[in-house]
Amino acid sequence: GAVVSQHPSRVICKSGTSVKIECRSLDFQATTMFWYRQFPKQSLMLMATSNEGSKATYEQGVEKDKFLINHASLTLSTLTVTSAHPEDSSFYICSAQAGTGAVNEQYFGPGTRLTVT
Amino acid sequence: GQQLNQSPQSMFIQEGEDVSMNCTSSSIFNTWLWYKQDPGEGPVLLIALYKAGELTSNGRLTAQFGITRKDSFLNISASIPSDVGIYFCAGSSTGNQFYFGTGTSLTVIP
Repeated sequence: GAVVSQHPSRVICKSGTSVKIECRSLDFQATTMFWYRQFPKQSLMLMATSNEGSKATYEQGVEKDKFLINHASLTLSTLTVTSAHPEDSSFYICSAQAGTGAVNEQYFGPGTRLTVT
Repeated sequence: GQQLNQSPQSMFIQEGEDVSMNCTSSSIFNTWLWYKQDPGEGPVLLIALYKAGELTSNGRLTAQFGITRKDSFLNISASIPSDVGIYFCAGSSTGNQFYFGTGTSLTVIP
């Protein structure tokens, strides 16, 4: 149980274009999903918290107009990198929080490798 | 965002040896999680801790929630080659937003 998928796993795009990344919880409902960015050999940096049916909460320094997040259902959140630039090249990972209550465990997707040329 | 200090940054050990790593924060947390990440993949949850002083095991792995609530420890006993990877701690004061440690890269020499 607690499987999270991401699509695509790898994407290469040209500078100035937009890219959409999907995050799905396959066998549970996730009221909250999180988006992280990880540069090579570095830790995961939380970008934003995505709540189903409401606006995402962005961490300080993350541009909400550049990284558009939509959490339209309890099993799907999308991250759109708009007008991508080479410095946006990174490993983007989502996680989903299962249910509510005392269990605060997060389950991660396999990540999406974005390369902007 | 906040980042936790994790040490050591890297470890090279012989197969069969025990491993210890720790994570410290300037903030008090109410939840600590430990993850393992293989190259090019997402992190996999190893152990979750919810109470100060709590000691929890998962096979050869044991993690503890520090009594100050500002640190956590992970031990791996009798390491094997498949333990190779990067280990991350993650802490939260809200139970929702988690902040990750800087990671410990583990290499096990057969």
